[in-house]
Amino acid sequence: EDQVTQSPEALRLQEGESSSLNCSYTVSGLRGLFWYRQDPGKGPEFLFTLYSAGEEKEKERLKATLTKKESFLHITAPKPEDSATYLCAVMGTNAGKSTFGDGTTLTVKP
Amino acid sequence: DGGITQSPKYLFRKEGQNVTLSCEQNLNHDAMYWYRQDPGQGLRLIYYSQIVNDFQKGDIAEGYSVSREKKESFPLTVTSAQKNPTAFYLCASTKQGAGQPQHFGDGTRLSIL
Repeated sequence: EDQVTQSPEALRLQEGESSSLNCSYTVSGLRGLFWYRQDPGKGPEFLFTLYSAGEEKEKERLKATLTKKESFLHITAPKPEDSATYLCAVMGTNAGKSTFGDGTTLTVKP
Repeated sequence: DGGITQSPKYLFRKEGQNVTLSCEQNLNHDAMYWYRQDPGQGLRLIYYSQIVNDFQKGDIAEGYSVSREKKESFPLTVTSAQKNPTAFYLCASTKQGAGQPQHFGDGTRLSIL
């Protein structure tokens, strides 16, 4: 059974204070690891897909990396508008569905 | 613009009543999904469908039913058998093929009167 564990559950940063969110996973045959952003009362918004260990992707202040056991979402010099819940999900050999973690709620104070 | 539309945004259910949540997509995606999200938790899969007229149970299918008569539509019925239906329900779709990300609607919040 695929499993995803995200840490920390909540993270509070000052504006400009860089940090990382962790996503540890176990999956049978990784087909993709996904990062999403979710604002309160909204559906998740897709950020990145990573397919193999060593892969990295960037978008503005966010950078996602992948190893064989975990993924990190690095946030560089965050702004208050980066405040949201960040969800990690994996898709394994049962490529029809994804397994989600419980998310990390990020709050960035001005 | 293409996307996923969920309606209504808020829904109230009386005891013993079935309610149906609507999900429509115009992305021409083959696969569609229903998730339940409780406060402070991630998404749990209720049902998913990879092609028209076919669907599979997810991890928490008891007390729910779905249909997939059209590619664009995947309605979810919350039956009276679901004893704790209060939650945020999310519909998603994806292109066919491994490793494709999901596109989500903005959810329906269901509450018990």
